[in-house]
Amino acid sequence: KQEVTQIPAALSVPEGENLVLNCSFTDSAIYNLQWFRQDPGKGLTSLLLIQSSQREQTSGRLNASLDKSSGRSTLYIAASQPGDSATYLCAVMRYGNNRLAFGKGNQVVVIP
Amino acid sequence: NAGVTQTPKFRVLKTGQSMTLLCAQDMNHEYMYWYRQDPGMGLRLIHYSVGEGTTAKGEVPDGYNVSRLKKQNFLLGLESAAPSQTSVYFCASSYLPAYGYTFGSGTRLTVV
Repeated sequence: KQEVTQIPAALSVPEGENLVLNCSFTDSAIYNLQWFRQDPGKGLTSLLLIQSSQREQTSGRLNASLDKSSGRSTLYIAASQPGDSATYLCAVMRYGNNRLAFGKGNQVVVIP
Repeated sequence: NAGVTQTPKFRVLKTGQSMTLLCAQDMNHEYMYWYRQDPGMGLRLIHYSVGEGTTAKGEVPDGYNVSRLKKQNFLLGLESAAPSQTSVYFCASSYLPAYGYTFGSGTRLTVV
């Protein structure tokens, strides 16, 4: 069974600092990995999708890396803003499996 | 706007009552999923469908039934609601798993 762990569970950073969120998974035979953002009481918004053949994906201030061999992904958010405050979820899809396995999330607060 | 629409957004049920949650997508996606999200547990897959007329069990299927009579709709039924089914329910869809998932905004269900 794929286990997905996100560390730290919660963090606070001052505005302007770079955010580094970590995701680890136990089974390296993955198809892809997806990062989502969830605001309180809201649904999930897809941020970045990394295929297993890729090392990283970038979108604006967001960059996600993937190291399959070590079972890790990192989401970097440059120059954080108060609007970045949310919970960030990492989800992994294994080969031969149509389902996503989710981590429990990194809850982020950016302090103005 | 294209996307995944869930109805209702909120519902309170009494123990033993039944209800159906509706998920509709207009993106011609083949794959559809029902998740539940509970504090400290993350998102867990209830049932999913890989195409019209198909359904399959996820991690936590007990107490739920699903149907996919039309490609664009995926229904989640609770035949006899229990307090343990108090949760936030999310529907998601995907054209192909490799292309990533799109989530609805959720249904907050309370069973008293």
